[in-house]
Amino acid sequence: NAGVTQTPKFQVLKTGQSMTLQCAQDMNHNSMYWYRQDPGMGLRLIYYSASEGTTDKGEVPNGYNVSRLNKREFSLRLESAAPSQTSVYFCASRIESGLYNSPLHFGNGTRLTVT
Amino acid sequence: TQLLEQSPQFLSIQEGENLTVYCNSSSVFSSLQWYRQEPGEGPVLLVTVVTGGEVKKLKRLTFQFGDARKDSSLHITAAQPGDTGLYLCAGPTGNQFYFGTGTSLTVIP
Repeated sequence: NAGVTQTPKFQVLKTGQSMTLQCAQDMNHNSMYWYRQDPGMGLRLIYYSASEGTTDKGEVPNGYNVSRLNKREFSLRLESAAPSQTSVYFCASRIESGLYNSPLHFGNGTRLTVT
Repeated sequence: TQLLEQSPQFLSIQEGENLTVYCNSSSVFSSLQWYRQEPGEGPVLLVTVVTGGEVKKLKRLTFQFGDARKDSSLHITAAQPGDTGLYLCAGPTGNQFYFGTGTSLTVIP
């Protein structure tokens, strides 16, 4: 009964370091999303994947890359971390992006600090 | 600029009081969803409203979708400490899903 699993839960990076945030879902959902959450900003979409094999930019894609490895997994990579990328990152999935009333299911987030 | 604006940003009330949270946009949405988020966790869906003018009730929570489908409200009656959390509205645009700025609610016992 895992749902959406994100790893790691916490991470501290130095400016310029790289890292990959992992996300996996076991609900057979087609669509997956990466959001960042900053105080007073709600959730902002970084990248999404409407289906396996496709990825698209969201509102704030600069400084990030993604890979939809298979239907279950969607990773987010920071190639050269910057302090402005300090945030809480959430992965989410939906059964089908075209079904406008299907809910997003979220993981518990990765708290990233860049010093 | 955010596609969905919520107000107020922060709300601190006494147990038993009523409150309303607003979600506004200049864009029309096919539907809007409301989520609640507790510290250290991801948001969890409360409700989806689809039809303009629709009103949905979930125990002490009442959700309304504006007639023009550009705005929504969440009304909580007789708030309890367990209602404390971050409330987020969200709506789809194409394949993307936008969230509001959030309302942080604290209910004091």
